[in-house]
Amino acid sequence: NAGVTQTPKFQVLKTGQSMTLQCAQDMNHNSMYWYRQDPGMGLRLIYYSASEGTTDKGEVPNGYNVSRLNKREFSLRLESAAPSQTSVYFCASREDRGRADTQYFGPGTRLTVL
Amino acid sequence: GDSVTQMEGPVTLSEEACLTINCTYTATGYPSLFWYVQYPGEGLQLLLKATKADDKGSNKGFEATYRKETTSFHLEKGSVQVSDSAVYFCALSSGAGSYQLTFGKGTKLSVIP
Repeated sequence: NAGVTQTPKFQVLKTGQSMTLQCAQDMNHNSMYWYRQDPGMGLRLIYYSASEGTTDKGEVPNGYNVSRLNKREFSLRLESAAPSQTSVYFCASREDRGRADTQYFGPGTRLTVL
Repeated sequence: GDSVTQMEGPVTLSEEACLTINCTYTATGYPSLFWYVQYPGEGLQLLLKATKADDKGSNKGFEATYRKETTSFHLEKGSVQVSDSAVYFCALSSGAGSYQLTFGKGTKLSVIP
């Protein structure tokens, strides 16, 4: 049981380049999330998807797009990377029983934008 | 809106010392409360949770009690080990729809032999 997987683990981009961060879960969860983690800031929600075919903005969506490709996969795209997007990105999925649900996190992608 | 405030770190303790990491929250309604732990180089994993007032969550020797009157969910452990060195995040989930987590900023714990 792999849980939540993310690729790549590390990435260096130049300003203006684009890239897609991939996330997949094998727990048959409906809900999936993308967070970014910055020093001293905790985790902040970028986008989430409550079910296949739906996506919604979180706290910090500017500069990002997402695609819920199917129930398993939820990708995050940076169209034109900026140094302010240097961060560690975590994907998560959630059991679907309510507000007490556990979220399960992937290992993260460490992105540096030069 | 919802918010979580937890004590600033870093915290450095000797092995077998007692640990308390303070966490207070502001939320509408009746949130669920969580502690997540992040070991070096890894993603977050659930440590414990509590879903209603006076509930106590516990796991791996850690405990936290949901105190509605003080809006707190402090993390405690009676005797820490070197293997407990990690970053600890307090979080809450309150709203319908997304059930997103609102996180505190994290507290880095280092335990020295």
